[in-house]
Amino acid sequence: DQQVKQNSPSLSVQEGRISILNCDYTNSMFDYFLWYKKYPAEGPTFLISISSIKDKNEDGRFTVFLNKSAKHLSLHIVPSQPGDSAVYFCAASGGNQFYFGTGTSLTVIP
Amino acid sequence: SAVISQKPSRDICQRGTSLTIQCQVDSQVTMMFWYRQQPGQSLTLIATANQGSEATYESGFVIDKFPISRPNLTFSTLTVSNMSPEDSSIYLCSVVGGGSKNIQYFGAGTRLSVL
Repeated sequence: DQQVKQNSPSLSVQEGRISILNCDYTNSMFDYFLWYKKYPAEGPTFLISISSIKDKNEDGRFTVFLNKSAKHLSLHIVPSQPGDSAVYFCAASGGNQFYFGTGTSLTVIP
Repeated sequence: SAVISQKPSRDICQRGTSLTIQCQVDSQVTMMFWYRQQPGQSLTLIATANQGSEATYESGFVIDKFPISRPNLTFSTLTVSNMSPEDSSIYLCSVVGGGSKNIQYFGAGTRLSVL
């Protein structure tokens, strides 16, 4: 049973525009949410996170939004840059358990 | 954050053989995790390795197939035993650390191909 879902396997965005990556989860007991970025031949790199007590967290060009009632998480990247092209995984944690989505491959077109 | 060195980065192995993957962390951590990522799929947790105790395996993974060692707080190994082509995957180790219990940090992964 997939507790964290990323329904869009891929996304293409023009350089300078906003990229929006989405993630849905099923378990209301999750208390922490994360986004990871993964380049080919590298491991996932932590990008940004948000606690369940917040609805927004911002770090430079990256903003994560949490809608607990909808059990929905999104990552906004603005402005998007070609170097942002990678696979993005969302993750949710509760206690010592971590659950990952299947990833969304973002391509930023110059 | 935690810096994780994982090796080998890739290997091509024959069916029936075994491969041991090493994971070295630059700081002492309590919990280390081993994941598998098959093409187009999410990260699947194989087991959690705690120093001083037996590893805890997830459903579908057994110690005979994936023995794990955790001799100290900075090092762990995962062995993929009696390999078959279905074991071809990326194997990743990770730790919870860097001052936050909520963030996992990953090694670069081991890309395994079994012929």
